[in-house]
Amino acid sequence: RKEVEQDPGPFNVPEGATVAFNCTYSNSASQSFFWYRQDCRKEPKLLMSVYSSGNEDGRFTAQLNRASQYISLLIRDSKLSDSATYLCVVSLNTGGFKTIFGAGTRLFVKA
Amino acid sequence: DTEVTQTPKHLVMGMTNKKSLKCEQHMGHRAMYWYKQKAKKPPELMFVYSYEKLSINESVPSRFSPECPNSSLLNLHLHALQPEDSALYLCASSQDSQGSGYGYTFGSGTRLTVV
Repeated sequence: RKEVEQDPGPFNVPEGATVAFNCTYSNSASQSFFWYRQDCRKEPKLLMSVYSSGNEDGRFTAQLNRASQYISLLIRDSKLSDSATYLCVVSLNTGGFKTIFGAGTRLFVKA
Repeated sequence: DTEVTQTPKHLVMGMTNKKSLKCEQHMGHRAMYWYKQKAKKPPELMFVYSYEKLSINESVPSRFSPECPNSSLLNLHLHALQPEDSALYLCASSQDSQGSGYGYTFGSGTRLTVV
């Protein structure tokens, strides 16, 4: 089982749609959780940190469920500019600190 | 503009060449990282420097040699690479390497082609 697993995608949605990405992690020692966005041929950029209490930034809402080892990202009112790959990222200390990237979920928002 | 600067942006090198990738950040971050990313794959960790000391080497072949001259600079020296080493090499930094929860800032990467 992969340490961080994401929906395989791609997701094709119309503008204005609500889309949800899911991510699960296998190591219960995981400490920090993030969503990154990566545009084609560009570097990943931090979208949001994810907290147990949930957090929202405009149209984006992230949730963490430690009991189920599950992370989600909800995008409301999708824009064309939201088209990108969304990477779920987990950091943990296993005798040395590591950050593990999920494989990413590609989102296409169409007019 | 990214706050982590990588040079060069593109590099083509032969298998017998020696070259270096450079990374610089002035955010006061104490952890710096090298990642390798192949097309349609997530970034893969290569090296972690924490407070200018190498703390993680993810079993990277010795043809890749990292160097951290000071807290703002990170180099990756390349020698005798193989065509399969062609990839996007990303540098990143973070406040520390101990799970501070602030995430990473990535540079825009060096796109390396080995011929």
